[in-house]
Amino acid sequence: GIQVEQSPPDLILQEGANSTLRCNFSDSVNNLQWFHQNPWGQLINLFYIPSGTKQNGRLSATTVATERYSLLYISSSQTTDSGVYFCAAGGFAGSARQLTFGSGTQLTVLP
Amino acid sequence: DAGVIQSPRHEVTEMGQEVTLRCKLISGHNSLFWYRQTMMRGLELLIYFNNNVPIDDSGMPEDRFSAKMPNASFSTLKIQPSEPRDSAVYFCASILPPGEGTEAFFGQGTRLTVV
Repeated sequence: GIQVEQSPPDLILQEGANSTLRCNFSDSVNNLQWFHQNPWGQLINLFYIPSGTKQNGRLSATTVATERYSLLYISSSQTTDSGVYFCAAGGFAGSARQLTFGSGTQLTVLP
Repeated sequence: DAGVIQSPRHEVTEMGQEVTLRCKLISGHNSLFWYRQTMMRGLELLIYFNNNVPIDDSGMPEDRFSAKMPNASFSTLKIQPSEPRDSAVYFCASILPPGEGTEAFFGQGTRLTVV
């Protein structure tokens, strides 16, 4: 199955700083999603982005499918952005609709 | 739409007891995944249903675990007998039918503690 790697594993920022989170995947994908797991454990959909670029407020994401990576940008970070960010990918072959999760990036935004 | 609804939100049980976790899909979705999250193993897929039929259950850890999807909108995950190593957060996710979309939406999870 698809392998998903995320970097960095941990990130500490001062409020107001910008950051880039990376997700590499091992095969072609027909599904690529970014999630934020908040301190209460809920998985919040951020982006559904198997290719291209999307923006939502201070967050944006880009997936370059041909090069097998996706980036999540957080601008002007706020303390409420803290939590774990997961990238999850689903491929084309076999049971392609399942998502394989990366190990996440633990983001801490300091006031 | 209320989103994916899981119950209970928290469950504490004694080793050896039966545990049943429940999931209601988003209206119009007919595919469902059960995931388990632990510190050691992260988020791992347990089983995938499409239109009430189990498609891939290779992630189910052992025979103590079973899952059903008796209709297009509801699923249960049962652990019998439960063991302390089953302690984890269990998520279900629903998705549109094949060909209509691949974005998955997750419930709030059930935090299971087996003592």
